[in-house]
Amino acid sequence: DGGITQSPKYLFRKEGQNVTLSCEQNLNHDAMYWYRQDPGQGLRLIYYSQIVNDFQKGDIAEGYSVSREKKESFPLTVTSAQKNPTAFYLCASSPETGYNYGYTFGSGTRLTVV
Amino acid sequence: GNSVTQMEGPVTLSEEAFLTINCTYTATGYPSLFWYVQYPGEGLQLLLKATKADDKGSNKGFEATYRKETTSFHLEKGSVQVSDSAVYFCALRIPNTGNQFYFGTGTSLTVIP
Repeated sequence: DGGITQSPKYLFRKEGQNVTLSCEQNLNHDAMYWYRQDPGQGLRLIYYSQIVNDFQKGDIAEGYSVSREKKESFPLTVTSAQKNPTAFYLCASSPETGYNYGYTFGSGTRLTVV
Repeated sequence: GNSVTQMEGPVTLSEEAFLTINCTYTATGYPSLFWYVQYPGEGLQLLLKATKADDKGSNKGFEATYRKETTSFHLEKGSVQVSDSAVYFCALRIPNTGNQFYFGTGTSLTVIP
């Protein structure tokens, strides 16, 4: 079945460490997105990519980095510069064209700083 | 700018009660409107959508009508079930902005037997 796979489901990070969250899709979607979800704040866009080897900052990109070397993959690195990384991270994808299409979401990664 | 405002929760209803979750939006251009549902510990799932004024989206007994004159997209269901307990997000998407979504803050619904 086509879909988006995020891994790991739970991730613990020590202070000062970089960690990478995986997002893989087999939907042949061009566009991919990373969102952060905090309680009571809804979803906030971190980065998005509409095509391989290109990506754009979202509303809260500071302290995060991404790459898009393959159409299927859009990993997110949470760097030590991100001062409050504990959150639920959601990856999504969509056909590049057509704003009538919805996103397909992964099941999320819960990151906790220990 | 572009934004979505949802009624604040949490909402608690008895089984078979009528549900309304209000959603209003501000957008430049002509958005498509969506409702997503999130079950505990999971990602969001598309519930329904409407892509132009006066369209009605529907799915699993839920409905929402795109009202351009009131910039609203309220979610309704005539008879809720315990299994409808989840967080509901209203969202809009407009062209030429990277096709990104703008989400409301979510409304938590709990249905009790």
